[in-house]
Amino acid sequence: IQLTQSPSFLSASVGDRVTITCRASQGISSYLAWYQQKPGKAPKLLIYAASTLQSGVPSRFSGSGSGTEFTLTISSLQPEDFATYYCQQLNSYPRSFGQGTKLEIK
Amino acid sequence: EVQLVESGGGLVQPGGSLRLSCAASGFTFSSYAMSWVRQAPGKGLEWVSAISGSGGSTYYADSVKGRFTISRDNSKNTLYLQMNSLRAEDTAVYYCAQQGPILTGYYPFGYWGQGTLVTVSS
Repeated sequence: IQLTQSPSFLSASVGDRVTITCRASQGISSYLAWYQQKPGKAPKLLIYAASTLQSGVPSRFSGSGSGTEFTLTISSLQPEDFATYYCQQLNSYPRSFGQGTKLEIK
Repeated sequence: EVQLVESGGGLVQPGGSLRLSCAASGFTFSSYAMSWVRQAPGKGLEWVSAISGSGGSTYYADSVKGRFTISRDNSKNTLYLQMNSLRAEDTAVYYCAQQGPILTGYYPFGYWGQGTLVTVSS
């Protein structure tokens, strides 16, 4: 299953609302996770089952979608949110990831 | 507190072998499936391999099938990745990650190690 994220790069300002899209090459129900990765660090789980917020993750993060189209939304960007975001499908093996979306400060 | 600590990375020549280890603590290791995920320098995440809690079932990415072997020693709370016939394109940071109790279940990767760098070069 191929996952395609858009955009690959996103420039935004603190306080902005941003949305990242992940499209799957075939239906994966709601079996999708989102991760945040900062330079030199391991990925961190943000959302699973497409829309369930991982414990401890701020409520400004939200996820939606099912089937083949999914979105990650950050309602009001904070300085610590500038990072790279990946989606991952959990429907089947291989457990593929999207190519990533790098969120940069404008 | 869940902790995953990888080790065993380093510089190896093309065609060589290396064994990575991931020491787990803070949870009942044998009850969880585990995966290896890698990230080439400046690139995205690539899932490599997964193993069930008992070690009886495994999955591999096509890019490593036949060259890499995932295994675990539940008595030592340790996950392994034996890498043979290494190629330049295997150069990456390798992370171990905890999945859920069922290998084929729809569980995300909730905990990750800090990674270990493997460099394949002559």
